[in-house]
Amino acid sequence: DAGVIQSPRHEVTEMGQEVTLRCKPISGHNSLFWYRQTMMRGLELLIYFNNNVPIDDSGMPEDRFSAKMPNASFSTLKIQPSEPRDSAVYFCAAARGQETQYFGPGTRLLVL
Amino acid sequence: RKEVEQDPGPFNVPEGATVAFNCTYSNSASQSFFWYRQDCRKEPKLLMSVYSSGNEDGRFTAQLNRASQYISLLIRDSKLSDSATYLCVVNPLWGNQFYFGTGTSLTVIP
Repeated sequence: DAGVIQSPRHEVTEMGQEVTLRCKPISGHNSLFWYRQTMMRGLELLIYFNNNVPIDDSGMPEDRFSAKMPNASFSTLKIQPSEPRDSAVYFCAAARGQETQYFGPGTRLLVL
Repeated sequence: RKEVEQDPGPFNVPEGATVAFNCTYSNSASQSFFWYRQDCRKEPKLLMSVYSSGNEDGRFTAQLNRASQYISLLIRDSKLSDSATYLCVVNPLWGNQFYFGTGTSLTVIP
């Protein structure tokens, strides 16, 4: 299995632009998580899905952030419009029930 | 109160030393516990699960104290390659959400 796949690995954009981050979870892992990590705030859970259904989005910073999981093998995290304070590493992780979470390599986002 | 709390360190120890990290959690009903390791500019990766009876994997020993609501990680005979950030993770019974600590930074010095 290839593990969790994220794209792009790096993204540099200008303030105000739309950013879309993509994640392909591990097959058969029915929980998917989006995290954001910064030096100041550490690893923050943004949203998680169970069986493609959003369960808890209380960590989504504001309306500029949205996430979808149209099927078991794909999820997106969108930021529109992006702001410099959104600069961070965004991780997608997959888990099967209460078992271990497996993280993707992350997307390093820089908003200028 | 945070769900999971860790001492951020940093811990700077010489090669060969023994070092221990603790992590406290607030939800007494929590069921699953893990230690993750994160190298610089990499994703977190599972180091080991923590079982009620305690468990060992080579130089690493993890323990759970339910009465005091903390988990610990002991690293014996530290190697330079152990330098990383160690994150403790707690999964409450009532959901799939995993709560991560902020991590403890370890640097092993030659």
